[in-house]
Amino acid sequence: AQKVTQAQTEISVVEKEDVTLDCVYETRDTTYYLFWYKQPPSGELVFLIRRNSFDEQNEISGRYSWNFQKSTSSFNFTITASQVVDSAVYFCALMMDSSYKLIFGSGTRLLVRP
Amino acid sequence: DSGVTQTPKHLITATGQRVTLRCSPRSGDLSVYWYQQSLDQGLQFLIQYYNGEERAKGNILERFSAQQFPDLHSELNLSSLELGDSALYFCASSVGGRSEKLFFGSGTQLSVL
Repeated sequence: AQKVTQAQTEISVVEKEDVTLDCVYETRDTTYYLFWYKQPPSGELVFLIRRNSFDEQNEISGRYSWNFQKSTSSFNFTITASQVVDSAVYFCALMMDSSYKLIFGSGTRLLVRP
Repeated sequence: DSGVTQTPKHLITATGQRVTLRCSPRSGDLSVYWYQQSLDQGLQFLIQYYNGEERAKGNILERFSAQQFPDLHSELNLSSLELGDSALYFCASSVGGRSEKLFFGSGTQLSVL
């Protein structure tokens, strides 16, 4: 079975606060791929990052960082010094090597207040 | 701009009708995915095509069908529409491999009245 859980439905922070979005996944495959997408108010889904299961190195890109831990099946996303423009719905997604289905979590709505 | 084109942007129709949603993938992409996004179901994977052939199937209703044409554009056909089919339908494309990121179109907002 393949499943992605984003337990945080909505998060509200004040600008410049750090915020972490949680993602927990389930898969029986040993090879799989994890993704984060952003859906701003305009509606289009925008790719943020991809990570494969055999690369547990954390990644930092500007104010964004990702923490991948196979031991806890988690792939969390942190925004440092949040900005109003970060307000969006963020989706975590999983694709197993045995399938071409990209399965999304339910998303976390992030509201960054000025 | 992702390079994926979806038409129309908005569609309003009545129950029982049939509609066709169209998607043109990015230049060079061979794979097309269709997703349905609704408030209660979230982002649901419907179906995927690769170079004209169906490659993966998700929670697609029997009233829905899709195809990918030789020029690689794809169409999603929705028939016998019900109120619950109202949703945002996304098309995405990729070169074709499993690890590749998907590029999403801006979606077609379908309203069934």
